[in-house]
Amino acid sequence: NAGVTQTPKFQVLKTGQSMTLQCAQDMNHEYMSWYRQDPGMGLRLIHYSVGAGITDQGEVPNGYNVSRSTTEDFPLRLLSAAPSQTSVYFCASSYSGGSQETQYFGPGTRLLVL
Amino acid sequence: TQLLEQSPQFLSIQEGENLTVYCNSSSVFSSLQWYRQEPGEGPVLLVTVVTGGEVKKLKRLTFQFGDARKDSSLHITAAQPGDTGLYLCAGAGSNYQLIWGAGTKLIIKP
Repeated sequence: NAGVTQTPKFQVLKTGQSMTLQCAQDMNHEYMSWYRQDPGMGLRLIHYSVGAGITDQGEVPNGYNVSRSTTEDFPLRLLSAAPSQTSVYFCASSYSGGSQETQYFGPGTRLLVL
Repeated sequence: TQLLEQSPQFLSIQEGENLTVYCNSSSVFSSLQWYRQEPGEGPVLLVTVVTGGEVKKLKRLTFQFGDARKDSSLHITAAQPGDTGLYLCAGAGSNYQLIWGAGTKLIIKP
């Protein structure tokens, strides 16, 4: 099993550009989520999904869109990049989203918006 | 709003020393998890604690959940350079969301 994979590993964008961060898992997990990690602020939840076709907003959803057409994939779209979106983005998955379940994280995407 | 505060934010000690890091809140959590994150990688789960007063051991790491389920601690005995990393605690929030602390960055010098 590859676990949770993310692409790209690094990306530089100009302000106003759009892009999609890819996330895939091969563990047949129903729950997937996107976080951003900034220095001194821990992990902040952007969006999450409890199954194909179902998504919901987390703590910091503005400027980001998601969709979940399959169990395996959960892409994150930046609509119009802003310097404030410079961060490290992590995708995570778990069996069903229960609070005691192990969250499996991808290796992250480092995004710089100029 | 549920918050988790971790302390210290940064800790640098010599190999062989003992240390304790803390995760505190004014809110009650039904469960709490500890993760370790190494540079350039995602967090990896170390332990989940559920019961107030619970103590779990993972080799040289001892995790404790407070009796009131508002706080937790991680104690490392005889720290080794391989323990270096960012230690994050996460508590069960509402609606499938975890509440994360900002982390303790631990450096163990050889």
